[in-house]
This record gives sequence, C-alpha cells and structure tokens, in this order.
Amino acid sequence: SYELTQPPSVSVSPGQTASITCSGDKLGDRYVCWYQQKPGQSPVLVIYQDTKRPSGIPERFSGSNSGNTATLTISGTQAMDEADFYCQAWDGISDWVFGGGTKLTVL
Amino acid sequence: EVQLVESGGGLVQPGRSLRLSCAASGFTLADYAMHWVRQLPGKGLEWVSSISWNSVVIGYADSVKGRFTISRDNAKNSLYLQMNSLGVEDMALYYCARDLGLAGSFSDAFDIWGRGTRVTVSS
Repeated sequence: SYELTQPPSVSVSPGQTASITCSGDKLGDRYVCWYQQKPGQSPVLVIYQDTKRPSGIPERFSGSNSGNTATLTISGTQAMDEADFYCQAWDGISDWVFGGGTKLTVL
Repeated sequence: EVQLVESGGGLVQPGRSLRLSCAASGFTLADYAMHWVRQLPGKGLEWVSSISWNSVVIGYADSVKGRFTISRDNAKNSLYLQMNSLGVEDMALYYCARDLGLAGSFSDAFDIWGRGTRVTVSS
C-alpha cells in the first residue's frame, strides 16, 4: 500500500518561514492536499491540488509538489498557526492516503 | 451554514456492530461525493471509505474491507457507515467529510468535515 512520510515535528520562530515536507514514491504524479488540525478540532483544508488555497485560507500558506516530495510552506508564521498538519495524496481513482502528521510548534 | 453532523458512535463489545450516520445541512448532499475518515486516539488520520454522489462508485481501505459498508440517502441528506465485526483496532473518532470535487466527482481533497463521533470497542 502507498505510504506518505512526514517529520513528526517542526519548530519555527514567529515571523519566520515554516516548511513541512511529505514524501512518497513518485508523489509528484499524484495530487496532494494539506490539512491543519488544532487540538480538539476537526481538520481544516488549507491547500488542495498541490498549490491551491481554499477561500478564507491566508496567503501565507502555500504548497508545492514535485518528484517524491510535497511541501507546505507557511510564510510569516504566526502563533495561531501552531497545529498538527497532515498531507493527503490521491491516486486519481479511489485511494486516498494520509501522512502521519507533523506537529508545528511556534516558539 | 454548511454543516455535517455525525451520530451513532458509542461503546460496543468486540465483534458487535454499529451504524454511524452523518446529516448534511446547508448544501445538497446529492451534488457531492462523500467520505468517512477516522482518527485513532492521539494518532493521525486514516481514510476509511468513499461513495460517489450516485452510490455507483464505492471504495474501502483494506483495513475495513469486508466489514464496513458505506451508503447514502440523498433524499434524506444523509450518509451512513455500517460497521460489523468491530475490533479494538477500530476504536477511533469517525468523521464524515465532503469531497471538494465538482459535480459530484471525486477529487484529492475534503473541504467540509463534521465534528466526529467516537467509537469505543471494549468488553
């Protein structure tokens, strides 16, 4: 079965840029999306189709996907961005896979 | 307001069954493919099952195939998950989620999530 690998944790200082990676075999051939989940809350979609932002998501969130790695980038990270982030890949047919999640700490 | 509300979770003995429901409001369920996703306690997300807008295309994760059945009633704006032969490995918070895809098609992302319903499996 297909697997996605994320770092367990990423730390960033306020105002700096945070990068969270998601790795998988030929991941660039699949669409990737990203979710933000704060404690006790449901996941919120922040990036879809590799690079697109849903309405209401701040411009500081951006995404890329090439080769074996997709990256979620948060520019000018704010304290409110602290959360767990999950990548998700779709094979274009009927298989959706989540990464293990990355805890983003803003300190 | 666009909303999904899950129900039906609870405490169940190993080997027994449970049926989860998801009520959609603020949009027409028939216009969207839908999914169930679960989150084990303190763990990550796991896609469980998907169903196309017209119930023609259905998919399951290997971990639940043969035990879980997804269904929908568009007239009632409701999504369901019948879970049989439950085990401790099925203990999780179960979310229903709307597919972002246009005109009822599947896509890579889920744009609306419910708050989840918790399933506990214990004797």
